[in-house]
Amino acid sequence: GAVVSQHPSRVICKSGTSVKIECRSLDFQATTMFWYRQFPKQSLMLMATSNEGSKATYEQGVEKDKFLINHASLTLSTLTVTSAHPEDSSFYICSARDLGTGELFFGEGSRLTVL
Amino acid sequence: SQQGEEDPQALSIQEGENATMNCSYKTSINNLQWYRQNSGRGLVHLILIRSNEREKHSGRLRVTLDTSKKSSSLLITASRAADTASYFCATDARLGRRALTFGSGTRLQVQP
Repeated sequence: GAVVSQHPSRVICKSGTSVKIECRSLDFQATTMFWYRQFPKQSLMLMATSNEGSKATYEQGVEKDKFLINHASLTLSTLTVTSAHPEDSSFYICSARDLGTGELFFGEGSRLTVL
Repeated sequence: SQQGEEDPQALSIQEGENATMNCSYKTSINNLQWYRQNSGRGLVHLILIRSNEREKHSGRLRVTLDTSKKSSSLLITASRAADTASYFCATDARLGRRALTFGSGTRLQVQP
């Protein structure tokens, strides 16, 4: 079946550094991908909608200059957390909508820990 | 608020008992989906119910949908310790953003 791959699954970084997380649709094309953030014991909150070939759409309260999203191809979206701080430590999950069927698939998530 | 509400927030039961979780949402939907998440892991898709459906079964899972009340329930019958996880409902809205909107979740603990 369709698979969405996220990499890395875990990353630990120092405060002030930038971290890039990749989201790939492995056997389907996705013009739209979504990035969610999940803090411990909380639900998933949508951060932004990533649109292939155009600018991402950010949810209210999400800083676009801090969370850079690039969706340069129909199978890859990247989220870069710039100048990460401990409060950015979270579980980041992407999802991709199959261009052909409209179905949504989720990646396995990436756990970011900022020291 | 972006999220729908789920209740209970936490549920602890004994193996063999049934577990019922409820979800309420705010917008008109195309479908509603239930997901499971083990601690620290990704989401596992359990079941999707379309807006024109009222009930759906999958193994030990039974989902109901009442669009007039904007609510859904997930019933897990004959629970097992391995069912221990967090359960989230998620709505695919008819209008607006095309992402799923997640409920607040229910943490289920099944005691062996």
